Amino acid sequence: NAGVTQTPKFQVLKTGQSMTLQCAQDMNHNSMYWYRQDPGMGLRLIYYSASEGTTDKGEVPNGYNVSRLNKREFSLRLESAAPSQTSVYFCASSAGTSGGPMGQYFGPGTRLTVL
Amino acid sequence: QQQVKQSPQSLIVQKGGISIINCAYENTAFDYFPWYQQFPGKGPALLIAIRPDVSEKKEGRFTISFNKSAKQFSLHIMDSQPGDSATYFCAASMIDYGQNFVFGPGTRLSVLP
Repeated sequence: NAGVTQTPKFQVLKTGQSMTLQCAQDMNHNSMYWYRQDPGMGLRLIYYSASEGTTDKGEVPNGYNVSRLNKREFSLRLESAAPSQTSVYFCASSAGTSGGPMGQYFGPGTRLTVL
Repeated sequence: QQQVKQSPQSLIVQKGGISIINCAYENTAFDYFPWYQQFPGKGPALLIAIRPDVSEKKEGRFTISFNKSAKQFSLHIMDSQPGDSATYFCAASMIDYGQNFVFGPGTRLSVLP
């Protein structure tokens, strides 16, 4: 039981390049989330998916797109990276409204630098 | 109304002491209040959580106190240890809304040996 896995762990991009961050969970959770974490800013929600087939914007969605590929996988895409997107990105999952354990479970993070 | 406030921003405690971190919220629709612990270079990990139907929950050295009327909740770490040194985040969510969590800004705890 790996929990929440993220790839890659580290990435360096040049301004304007694109990339996709991958996330998968093996806990049969309904809800999945993408956060960014910047020094002194805590965790800010980018997008979330309350259940398979649905996605919604969070607090800071500009410059990002997401895809809930299936119940296990939720990807985050940067179409044209900007230096302001330099951050640590965390994926998380939770049971949602399915009646399972209510906490969020986080992946190990992706450290992204945009030059 | 979605904001969760957290204090202090940083906290230094001697080994064996009590660490106390406070959070406050505005939205009375929140009905689930977890605390997360994050070590450097790692993702946040769920530590302990409480629903508003109880005023206190204890798990080992960690206790959440919840004051529904004041819309405040706090984390108490008893007998603090150097291994507890980490950043702690409080959060709040509404179960019926797919659990969209709102996080506090975090408290960096240092426990001195």
